[in-house]
Amino acid sequence: DTAVSQTPKYLVTQMGNDKSIKCEQNLGHDTMYWYKQDSKKFLKIMFSYNNKELIINETVPNRFSPKSPDKAHLNLHINSLELGDSAVYFCASSPAAGSPLHFGNGTRLTVT
Amino acid sequence: QKEVEQDPGPLSVPEGAIVSLNCTYSNSAFQYFMWYRQYSRKGPELLMYTYSSGNKEDGRFTAQVDKSSKYISLFIRDSQPSDSATYLCAMSDVYGGATNKLIFGTGTLLAVQP
Repeated sequence: DTAVSQTPKYLVTQMGNDKSIKCEQNLGHDTMYWYKQDSKKFLKIMFSYNNKELIINETVPNRFSPKSPDKAHLNLHINSLELGDSAVYFCASSPAAGSPLHFGNGTRLTVT
Repeated sequence: QKEVEQDPGPLSVPEGAIVSLNCTYSNSAFQYFMWYRQYSRKGPELLMYTYSSGNKEDGRFTAQVDKSSKYISLFIRDSQPSDSATYLCAMSDVYGGATNKLIFGTGTLLAVQP
């Protein structure tokens, strides 16, 4: 009965490859997010979707393309992976503006 | 200068100690203030949530917000080894009326020694 679930948990791939991360929430929330956490634990917002509509796109290279097929799912596709993309990617959801975010357990991406 | 500044620690305290964690921020538009706890290899989990200024208490945890000083604090009383984790402050205003743009501090690593 995980509230926000991400797959895969770990992803190891080579530079230049394309990969996807999937996220699903069963909380009935309208808004979903992608955050990136670097090696120093700093969490930075990448994207926010509200009811399938992109609201925040935070200066992320266009190699990163989020897609929300419905309000319970938000996927992240990354093209032409680079070494600097290595990080932990967190999906989150919230019920309304101003409400706290509920996070998944992250996808640890390693690019070699 | 980062929008949110947090002492990265690490902080090591004996079991039973009172712990004080702090963040300062520069954006006076922030209205919502949160503290998250993150265990190793897990996602951040919400500890405390405060709207605007004031204090909020939940068990051993107390959150304080002073908007005039742009300063927030989290106090942990009677700290336990299970409190050992990274603590992240986070804050936001309402973005476009529909979503949060939650800005995080860099996190403080806390170790509570038995």
